[in-house]
Amino acid sequence: DARVTQTPRHKVTEMGQEVTMRCQPILGHNTVFWYRQTMMQGLELLAYFRNRAPLDDSGMPKDRFSAEMPDATLATLKIQPSEPRDSAVYFCASGLVRVYSGNTIYFGEGSWLTVV
Amino acid sequence: GENVEQHPSTLSVQEGDSAVIKCTYSDSASNYFPWYKQELGKRPQLIIDIRSNVGEKKDQRIAVTLNKTAKHFSLHITETQPEDSAVYFCAASSYGGSQGNLIFGKGTKLSVKP
Repeated sequence: DARVTQTPRHKVTEMGQEVTMRCQPILGHNTVFWYRQTMMQGLELLAYFRNRAPLDDSGMPKDRFSAEMPDATLATLKIQPSEPRDSAVYFCASGLVRVYSGNTIYFGEGSWLTVV
Repeated sequence: GENVEQHPSTLSVQEGDSAVIKCTYSDSASNYFPWYKQELGKRPQLIIDIRSNVGEKKDQRIAVTLNKTAKHFSLHITETQPEDSAVYFCAASSYGGSQGNLIFGKGTKLSVKP
């Protein structure tokens, strides 16, 4: 049963510290998404990659957030420096997305981040 | 870009009743509309999806309808059960090109009372 794997599952950190979240997409999937979930904003798309190339990161605060995909098995989301307002659940999702044909995306379990 | 509106934000029904959640989208190029269910503390999971070449799709107690002209789609759950209690998200995506992101509505918290 293939799954999207995220680490860490839970993270508590102090304001100003760097936070790195990692995601291993399902093998063979060509698209990786990063979403942030809060009570107020729901599921916000932060960034996504197709075949490791960034397609859109307009939903991400550029001054402190960065997303990369150094290889096909790893996507990272980094926050530096972290702030209390970054406290949220960060979901990675992956899917085999084809032009002119939608396809299912699968979510990881999420990284629960608390910045104090 | 795409914008998805979802209503209602909360919905409470008695066990056995039907529940309907509605979504509208803004981008006429969108052609894929999935619905996800998220239980408390869990990840969103796909429950049903529909593509723009289909007007309706059914899977047991769950059905989704799509009106492309009006740009809205709905989730229908019949004979609701307590285990249907969760947050439901609709989403829209356009695959007519090299993009293909998935934009979500704000979610509907469904409570099914025994």
